[in-house]
This record gives sequence, structure tokens and C-alpha cells, in this order.
Amino acid sequence: QQPVQSPQAVILREGEDAVINCSSSKALYSVHWYRQKHGEAPVFLMILLKGGEQKGHDKISASFNEKKQQSSLYLTASQLSYSGTYFCGTLNDYKLSFGAGTTVTVRA
Amino acid sequence: DAGITQSPRYKITETGRQVTLMCHQTWSHSYMFWYRQDLGHGLRLIYYSAAADITDKGEVPDGYVVSRSKTENFPLTLESATRSQTSVYFCASRGVVDSYNEQFFGPGTRLTVL
Repeated sequence: QQPVQSPQAVILREGEDAVINCSSSKALYSVHWYRQKHGEAPVFLMILLKGGEQKGHDKISASFNEKKQQSSLYLTASQLSYSGTYFCGTLNDYKLSFGAGTTVTVRA
Repeated sequence: DAGITQSPRYKITETGRQVTLMCHQTWSHSYMFWYRQDLGHGLRLIYYSAAADITDKGEVPDGYVVSRSKTENFPLTLESATRSQTSVYFCASRGVVDSYNEQFFGPGTRLTVL
């Protein structure tokens, strides 16, 4: 079952902050985050594990709330390069199921 | 070239024709996946494979067939293409299937069915 992302879209000015949420109806053990630029393939950003461990991007942070079965991605002091569609993915067996995506537009 | 490649990158076909999309990876990753991407639906899993000769259905398998005779190749076949199969198709691979490993995506194939 696909995780649910919110919001669907967000428009920011350079330097502003945004939060993208990802929630699941199933118990979460890890959440994967990917970013996709227009016309390109999704690219790995980070993985968050149950227990707080994370692996990935050094400028974009995220949190993982096991009780709420939710993860949040924090875009802090956004840059133009942050524009794109962000997807969260949850593991079921070894398959990644992705949310519908959040489109982020950062304007100068 | 190292990595994961897909061919063709663009394909236009007609309703009822058979189409095969190719996916090749050079990492010897065990796990491979096919997704389709449509506006409003994100990435939906079509089929996946844990190893050569082991494949299974994902969320939206109807109208598609896969095979995996070699670890590095994972072709996706539309046996009789329909307009609803117009989409962007991404192949992906992952080496070790635990929670801590990222998935790598190919560049995608944009398929139009007329």
C-alpha cells in the first residue's frame, strides 16, 4: 500500500523553509526519500531507520516518528536546486512503494 | 557504461502491438524493479525480481510480462499495448535488500500508445 504525502505542492522563495510529510497505514521500519527533477530519474536523498539512524544528504534533514507511522522531510533555507518532486518510499518485504509525490518550486 | 540503462528512451506504438522495454544494469544487483509514473499517481510498481528466474507481480501488473534469464537484464513486455499504458517507465535496481540500501533508477522510457 502506497504511503500518503502532503502537501501535494509547495512554492517557496529562496531561503524559506518547508516540510513534507509522509505517512503510512502500516508499521514503518524505514523511510526512503528521493527527489526527481523534471524529465529525469528519481535520485536517492536519504534513508531513515527505526531507531533514529539515517543515511544520506548533508543539507536536507528528516525525522522519523514510529508511533505516528510518519516521516517528515525538512527543506531548510531552500536553494533553487531544491526544486523538484520529492517522493517518500516505504519498504514492504523488499519492495519500495512510493507516495504520489510533493512538487517543490523554489523561486529566486 | 557502468550503471543502469534503459532502451529505448522514447517509443511511440499503436494499440494492440507488442512492445518490449529493456533494462540493463552493470552492478550485478540481485533485485530489479519496474515502475510506471503517471501524473497524480507517483511511481507504481509493476513487477519485481529478486534474482534470475525469480519474478513477482507488483501493484499494477495487468497487461505486462517480465522475464529475467540473466542477472543484469530485466525486460518488460507489453503484450498488446493499450492507450492506458502510455506512461514513463522506470527500471530500478538494488544490491542488498535491507532497509539501509538505496535504490538506483534508470533514465526512464517514455512510451506513447496511439
